[in-house]
Parts: sequence; structure tokens; C-alpha cells
Amino acid sequence: AQSVTQPDIHITVSEGASLELRCNYSYGATPYLFWYVQSPGQGLQLLLKYFSGDTLVQGIKGFEAEFKRSQSSFNLRKPSVHWSDAAEYFCAVGPMDSNYQLIWGAGTKLIIKP
Amino acid sequence: EAGVVQSPRYKIIEKKQPVAFWCNPISGHNTLYWYRQNLGQGPELLIRYENEEAVDDSQLPKDRFSAERLKGVDSTLKIQPAELGDSAVYLCASSGWFDRNYGYTFGSGTRLTVV
Repeated sequence: AQSVTQPDIHITVSEGASLELRCNYSYGATPYLFWYVQSPGQGLQLLLKYFSGDTLVQGIKGFEAEFKRSQSSFNLRKPSVHWSDAAEYFCAVGPMDSNYQLIWGAGTKLIIKP
Repeated sequence: EAGVVQSPRYKIIEKKQPVAFWCNPISGHNTLYWYRQNLGQGPELLIRYENEEAVDDSQLPKDRFSAERLKGVDSTLKIQPAELGDSAVYLCASSGWFDRNYGYTFGSGTRLTVV
């Protein structure tokens, strides 16, 4: 079955510390991979996406993610978090042959300690 | 360029009342999606439109939910009658057919509270 797992429901990091949010997927073929961020009361904003090529992708707001095919993972990283990064982060995967039906993880809530 | 516009942002209604949400997608995006997001969960697809045609409504509770996209542009999602369990954020998203920015663009959502 196709699925996306974000193992951490909550993560708390200190401001200025590094961050890694985990995402593992189960899919029949190599999918397109996405990370979205949702601030409180807001819709979802695309942080970055992976289609093909370089497995390390850069996104907005200083985020990056690395696709590891052997581990079926697409972890999100940021070297130094800011208080404004406090939000919920969603990993999603989608088929390469059509532009719909993303499969979503349950999200990881990021809490920033001052 | 304007993003995906949704209204209202918030809605509080009593159970058994009807409610409607409106979405205007990004200009030129032929695909429109309605999602429901419960607290602490990822979005769940309710319905997907390709232009004016609903091509995937398998997750739409058709006994009380309905949607339309008459001219293939803006869309309305309706619940009648609403139940307590319908309290959630309703998100609209759109995407282009050969959009090089592949990936949905979401609106800010409508937070529905049924009391």
C-alpha cells in the first residue's frame, strides 16, 4: 500500500539549532516528493520538491531535503532554525505520470524554544 | 499573481444548517482540488476537477456534500446538513497541466466549526 510516514508528531528545537524532519514513503515506483509547511491558521505552502536529478534539493526559507532512494526517505533539514519556523510540516508524494492524488504524511509540528 | 482565493476564512454554524465554501483558483490552472484537514492530520482529498468535470469524487460523502465548478474556473463546496464531525479546515488547491512548478498551490482554507 502507498503511504507516507512522518515518525515524529512533535519536535522541539532551540532557536539557532539545526533541524531534521524525517519522511519515509512506501510507493510502487519512484514518486515525486514534496515538503509543505503550514503556519497556524494558514494554508499549505510548498517548501521544496524533488522530481529527478540532484538528490539534494534546495527550497525556500533556507530549507533543503535529500532524497535517498535506498532508504525511501526524503528528510527535510535546516542548519539553523528561527522562531518563525514554528509550524507544521507535511511530507507528500505523488505519481510521476499524473498531476494529482498526492499522498500525505500526518505532519510534524515544530516547536522552537527561545 | 493572485494565489488561490478562498472564502470565508472562518465559519461557525449550528449542526443541521447548510454551509458553502468558495474557491477561485490561480488563473489558467485547470485542475482544482478540495481537501478536508482535521486537526493534527494531513489533508484528505474530497474531490478533484479537471476543468468543469469532477474526475475523482470517490472520497466525497455524497449524502451531504456537493460541489460544482460550472465554468471550469471557480468552485463551490456545500455541506447540507452539517454535522458536528464536519468541523475541520477545508482547503482548496489548484495546479496547471504542464505547470513547471508542479505541485499544488493551496488557498488559506476555511475553518469550519459546527456547534
